[in-house]
Amino acid sequence: EPEVTQTPSHQVTQMGQEVILRCVPISNHLYFYWYRQILGQKVEFLVSFYNNEISEKSEIFDDQFSVERPDGSNFTLKIRSTKLEDSAMYFCASRATGRWYGYTFGSGTRLTVV
Amino acid sequence: QQPVQSPQAVILREGEDAVINCSSSKALYSVHWYRQKHGEAPVFLMILLKGGEQKGHEKISASFNEKKQQSSLYLTASQLSYSGTYFCEVSGNTGKLIFGQGTTLQVKP
Repeated sequence: EPEVTQTPSHQVTQMGQEVILRCVPISNHLYFYWYRQILGQKVEFLVSFYNNEISEKSEIFDDQFSVERPDGSNFTLKIRSTKLEDSAMYFCASRATGRWYGYTFGSGTRLTVV
Repeated sequence: QQPVQSPQAVILREGEDAVINCSSSKALYSVHWYRQKHGEAPVFLMILLKGGEQKGHEKISASFNEKKQQSSLYLTASQLSYSGTYFCEVSGNTGKLIFGQGTTLQVKP
């Protein structure tokens, strides 16, 4: 079964550093998403991406964050000047075109800011 | 506005039924339901769009009531594998996606 692949599975970074989280969506999917889940809390929507541009973003997704699809397969989330409160599990998801398709989530990247 | 899920937690015996509700204060365009097991990614269960259709997935089904701005997830004859946290995710006509706070379901033998 096709999978969404995320790397790394765990990233530890120092406060103030920049991190890039990587995702390889399912190959024929056209809609891409990033979500965040702080330990013990609910999943939070960050951003959706379609046709090489952001289609929707939440209040969390401020200037500290950016997304990019640098080539035909990767979808990245960049977090600049990381803060302690950025520590969370970050999930990438992708979806096929069509009203009835749900999202397939990757297994996540656990980001720890120290 | 975050959708409100109820109940917050449910404990069942194998074979029992459960209903999880997801209510929004705003008009809904679509509702997605997910199950997440501890330490794992959410897994998509089903999507419901405007129109009030009921959908099913094995012994799990859901309904979408536009007038009440509410969706309900029905789990029948629960199995141990149903344990986890269930989230609804809703979108209005802006397309913005918001998760509910989750309902923890524990199925005991």
